[in-house]
Amino acid sequence: SQKIEQNSEALNIQEGKTATLTCNYTNYSPAYLQWYRQDPGRGPVFLLLIRENEKEKRKERLKVTFDTTLKQSLFHITASQPADSATYLCALESRGGYQKVTFGTGTKLQVIP
Amino acid sequence: SAVISQKPSRDICQRGTSLTIQCQVDSQVTMMFWYRQQPGQSLTLIATANQGSEATYESGFVIDKFPISRPNLTFSTLTVSNMSPEDSSIYLCSVEPSANTGELFFGEGSRLTVL
Repeated sequence: SQKIEQNSEALNIQEGKTATLTCNYTNYSPAYLQWYRQDPGRGPVFLLLIRENEKEKRKERLKVTFDTTLKQSLFHITASQPADSATYLCALESRGGYQKVTFGTGTKLQVIP
Repeated sequence: SAVISQKPSRDICQRGTSLTIQCQVDSQVTMMFWYRQQPGQSLTLIATANQGSEATYESGFVIDKFPISRPNLTFSTLTVSNMSPEDSSIYLCSVEPSANTGELFFGEGSRLTVL
């Protein structure tokens, strides 16, 4: 069966360090992979998208890698700040068929001052 | 980008009743998506709503339980019918305003509690 797995345990890191979140998937052929941020009581907010033919994408302090051989994406936040504390969701859209984005379970990040 | 307004933002409902959630977008979009987020869980796609045709439901979701309307390119409704406590959840409306970018915009969600 298809699965998108993110570390269900919360990730606690010290302010200023780099946070690295992992997204693993099975039985998908994703056209692209996305990362979203979700704050409590709010809808998800789009952060980055990386396509299947791209290895890495950057946006300000954010970096995403995509390894279709390992079926894994890594999401990095450099120089982390307490304001980065949130739940981060990985999402996939498969190739072919109609448009459907499937979300992972999310990882809660806590940046400690 | 897109600004999405959902109503109600939250509600407390009695078992057996139905509630309709409205989603209004500030621009015309082809497809609108309805997601459910149960407590502590991730988002699950309920259905995709196209204007002028019936919604496409995902496995485990049926039209009788979650009827959807899509009367025009900026508006959709999701009804949660004959509610039970298991329907207590956040319901989110989403759109992809720029076709084939993959970027989804979400409303703030409608938090339903069924007693």
